[in-house]
Amino acid sequence: ETGVTQTPRHLVMGMTNKKSLKCEQHLGHNAMYWYKQSAKKPLELMFVYNFKEQTENNSVPSRFSPECPNSSHLFLHLHTLQPEDSALYLCASSLDPGQDNEKLFFGSGTQLSVL
Amino acid sequence: DQQVKQNSPSLSVQEGRISILNCDYTNSMFDYFLWYKKYPAEGPTFLISISSIKDKNEDGRFTVFLNKSAKHLSLHIVPSQPGDSAVYFCAASRQTGANNLFFGTGTRLTVIP
Repeated sequence: ETGVTQTPRHLVMGMTNKKSLKCEQHLGHNAMYWYKQSAKKPLELMFVYNFKEQTENNSVPSRFSPECPNSSHLFLHLHTLQPEDSALYLCASSLDPGQDNEKLFFGSGTQLSVL
Repeated sequence: DQQVKQNSPSLSVQEGRISILNCDYTNSMFDYFLWYKKYPAEGPTFLISISSIKDKNEDGRFTVFLNKSAKHLSLHIVPSQPGDSAVYFCAASRQTGANNLFFGTGTRLTVIP
């Protein structure tokens, strides 16, 4: 496989459930990102990992817990979510976020519905 | 407060004509601008970019124009094709860092055969 792969593509969960989103990149990139896209809103950056170290956390509630075991894999652990957390969650990677003119490569996203 | 705005949520264009998608930004520190294209059930893919040292960048049928004084950029697609039907996102950043990328809400382009 090439590019950025996200699983599952769709997820429905109750507010008391615990689930995880998975992302894998096959591009040899060093940085990985989680973005949230809600209806009629811009993509919101949630977390950035650079060389497995978290370098950015954009005031995301603690019910979202990221994990980056290596430069190729990224997880987003979800627990006690709220209905307003329903959104498309996109994973992305880039070669090095500190470089000029960096481009993001996105996965297809996980469409999450919280009931 | 949105720093990157795409005020037209949708645009319909006849095949073969020009599509013009617009984007405005508020932060004068932005100096790198990108357009991403998104098909349904797929993630956004990079389309074209422009640095603030230029006012135009062309790649085949796609041209991006930057007007720094107006804090405005536009994407021109000529000629438009049905396969161009997608959502187009404008994004802006300071040059150092993809983690400083700010996105607009997107414009849905429909090219009518």
